[in-house]
Amino acid sequence: QSVLTQPPSVSAAPGQKVTISCSGSSSNIGNNYVSWYQQFPGTAPKLLIYDNNKRPSGIPDRFSGSKSGTSATLGITGLQTGDEADYYCGAWDSSLSAGVFGGGTKLTVL
Amino acid sequence: QLQLQESGPGLVKPSETLSLTCTVSGGSISSSINYWGWIRQPPGKGLEWIGSIYYSGTTDYNPSLGSRVTISVDTSKNQFSLKLYSVTAADTAVYYCARTVGTDPTSNDYWGQGTLVTVSS
Repeated sequence: QSVLTQPPSVSAAPGQKVTISCSGSSSNIGNNYVSWYQQFPGTAPKLLIYDNNKRPSGIPDRFSGSKSGTSATLGITGLQTGDEADYYCGAWDSSLSAGVFGGGTKLTVL
Repeated sequence: QLQLQESGPGLVKPSETLSLTCTVSGGSISSSINYWGWIRQPPGKGLEWIGSIYYSGTTDYNPSLGSRVTISVDTSKNQFSLKLYSVTAADTAVYYCARTVGTDPTSNDYWGQGTLVTVSS
């Protein structure tokens, strides 16, 4: 059971927009930064978003992050078949004194 | 380009100690703005933060691992290491080392390729 809650799967058509939610509490998302990762099978996670909405160098602006209260959202526009992957959210949990992650969301581009 | 590479045994016996080293190249581990961390992922499951270390030796560990974990740094070799004691089958996972960006230990911008460690007799 993950501390952060994500939907197991989402799907959308190529070219469309999809959002992935990440729900937490005041001890994590509510008062700390959120990060988002993309992971393809057999490879290391790739940082897409950090500090709620900042993109590392090289990440296209098709990927965006937002936060409201104790929930965060990853948005992906202009979906491509190459975006099919698992996506994870992460945050520091002040009560647990630990970094925590969501269980992951599998994105299918139909 | 910064690169990280994990190394260590791929098979560890139950109750023994898992030891991994992360070698950093293309940059200095003594950067004053970065922490360095270990994250693991059991087969088919999600990510778990293990802990982080600053080049000065300051550490943060996941309390769920209790006193079983130690992370250390060797700036002369540009390496940091993980030791996980008294392992069980539940510690079987792909172990990643990574560089933390900013202040959030879950925000890691450079990762090693990961190394699978299996705990089995």
